[in-house]
Amino acid sequence: QIVLSQSPAILSASPGEKVTMTCRASSSVSYMHWYQQKPGSSPKPWIYATSNLASGVPARFSGSGSGTSYSLTISRVEAEDAATYYCQQWSSNPRTFGGGTKLEIK
Amino acid sequence: EVQLQQSGTVLARPGASVKMSCKASGYSFTSYWMHWVKQRPGQGLEWIGAIYPGNSDTSYNQKFKGKAKLTAVTSASTAYMELSSLTNEDSAVYYCTRGARYFDVWGAGTTVTVSS
Repeated sequence: QIVLSQSPAILSASPGEKVTMTCRASSSVSYMHWYQQKPGSSPKPWIYATSNLASGVPARFSGSGSGTSYSLTISRVEAEDAATYYCQQWSSNPRTFGGGTKLEIK
Repeated sequence: EVQLQQSGTVLARPGASVKMSCKASGYSFTSYWMHWVKQRPGQGLEWIGAIYPGNSDTSYNQKFKGKAKLTAVTSASTAYMELSSLTNEDSAVYYCTRGARYFDVWGAGTTVTVSS
């Protein structure tokens, strides 16, 4: 199966700061999806097919990457962005998720 | 509005089986795969498997074969997952989620607690 490794595990940032989190796949995948999850809530689709923002996602978020390396970037972090972000691959079964990056706001 | 309504919290004994439901509304139930995802307390997300209600085709994560059984009743627009031979490792929140090109709609989750 394709293993997804996310880094860093925990990311601490101040409001207004630019942050990037990465997702590395053990084998090449066609594209990557990202989900946001806040405590006590279901995951929400956030970025799909590597770079497309899901409905309602602020434009300060962006996604990029190809092959085995993908990233999610927030241009200017806001307090509401505090959450755990998971990457996920759809290229092969079993579908797999990364271990998550927890974004903390200082 | 597309929605997935999941059944409530379950408390079960070790060795028992539980069956949970996921009722879909707002879209053609038979046209999308329904996936199930496990999340243990404080842990990440794990894909269990999926069912295509249109023809009942299923796909399982090898890890969950023999543990999870996926079914669907099209007349009720409801998908089900049965977990058997429960152990403490099965205590988790289980989500159903619609599979389009990605997991675009999620249920609120069913919490399963296994305890004697």
